[in-house]
Amino acid sequence: GAVVSQHPSRVICKSGTSVKIECRSLDFQATTMFWYRQFPKQSLMLMATSNEGSKATYEQGVEKDKFLINHASLTLSTLTVTSAHPEDSSFYICSALIQRQVYNEQFFGPGTRLTVL
Amino acid sequence: AQKVTQAQTEISVVEKEDVTLDCVYETRDTTYYLFWYKQPPSGELVFLIRRNSFDEQNEISGRYSWNFQKSTSSFNFTITASQVVDSAVYFCALSENYGQNFVFGPGTRLSVLP
Repeated sequence: GAVVSQHPSRVICKSGTSVKIECRSLDFQATTMFWYRQFPKQSLMLMATSNEGSKATYEQGVEKDKFLINHASLTLSTLTVTSAHPEDSSFYICSALIQRQVYNEQFFGPGTRLTVL
Repeated sequence: AQKVTQAQTEISVVEKEDVTLDCVYETRDTTYYLFWYKQPPSGELVFLIRRNSFDEQNEISGRYSWNFQKSTSSFNFTITASQVVDSAVYFCALSENYGQNFVFGPGTRLSVLP
């Protein structure tokens, strides 16, 4: 299957700082990528849809000015958590979409665990 | 709106027991896809199976089997002869719009005790 990587896998930062998370599709091009957030003992919730060359689409309740998404190339989307606070501590997972003739398949990255002190 | 329900929040079994994880879904689409993922403590999602709405055949893969019943909107997952390594959180998920719209269930935490 296709491979999606995320970097870093784990990050600890101080409150008020910004953190950038990268999501790369390693062996395919993805015009669409997705960002999910998973709080402890909860399910994955879609935060936003990232489209190459255009603005991201955010789900209701997700602050677009706080979670900046850039999808500047067909293999890279970045999520920047600006002015991070402890409540932003979470597991962030990206996925990349391969568009096939019959079905669009999502491949998930390994996730990034963010801890804000 | 699409929705996935996993009624069992946590399940504990003793090794070698069989266990079934329930999944019930809601969708208005006639074409949709159902998934099961395993999430071990490391956090990385492990893909287990994808089923499309037109294929109701049950599937068996080793100790894993899946029962898809459109009449009851269920897609249940059974692990036979469970092992400690099966301990993880298992998510059922539904995808509409040919894979674009993806919704996860709340997950079931399975603990297999030695």
